[in-house]
Amino acid sequence: EVQLVESGGGLVQPGGSLRLSCAASGFTFSSYWMSWVRQAPGKGLEWVANIKQDGSEKYYVDSVKGRFTISRDNAKNSLYLQMNSLRAEDTAVYYCARDGEYSSSCLDYWGQGTLVTVSS
Amino acid sequence: EIVLTQSPATLSLSPGERATLSCRASQSVSSYLAWYQQKPGQAPRLLIYDASNRATGIPARFSGSGSGTDFTLTISSLEPEDFAVYYCQQRSNWPLITFGQGTRLEIK
Repeated sequence: EVQLVESGGGLVQPGGSLRLSCAASGFTFSSYWMSWVRQAPGKGLEWVANIKQDGSEKYYVDSVKGRFTISRDNAKNSLYLQMNSLRAEDTAVYYCARDGEYSSSCLDYWGQGTLVTVSS
Repeated sequence: EIVLTQSPATLSLSPGERATLSCRASQSVSSYLAWYQQKPGQAPRLLIYDASNRATGIPARFSGSGSGTDFTLTISSLEPEDFAVYYCQQRSNWPLITFGQGTRLEIK
């Protein structure tokens, strides 16, 4: 059974940093692109970043470029999101998600999410 | 940047009725469009990928159609558990991903 479990969320002050983790199991983690997607309270979904299977390519939404860094450790079946210079508008539930098995145009498995709150 | 516009924002229907949700892209996304269902407090669930393919375990009452810029998610006969928020998502400029703003399907 595919499982994605996020951790690392919490309350952080503006300008602070946080590192999110996503533990993957039930599939060959090293074979899939992985993404982070966030959802601000009461709002829609926003793709944040994704990373190629071997970590050689990384892409970000414009609003987090230069502040967030996505990474992965295939030996540990883990995905990470290092978030620096956090702003109030980064407050959201952060989900990790896997590229689709039958089509890379979608995300077929999602974790339960971890809440990040940026506030003083 | 490709923008996805979903309509209506809210759809009020009764169980047993047919639901038709729309997603329009600002430029062609070919068939690289997916639909997700999200219930309160839960992660999104993949329903449809590549415009018209049902994901594993998705009931046959859910169907997707369209290509280019206009897409439709149809739920043929609403069940009580179908009332939720639905999002479309494109990935034609792979690997970047964009979501629509969502349609809330509520019980009338």
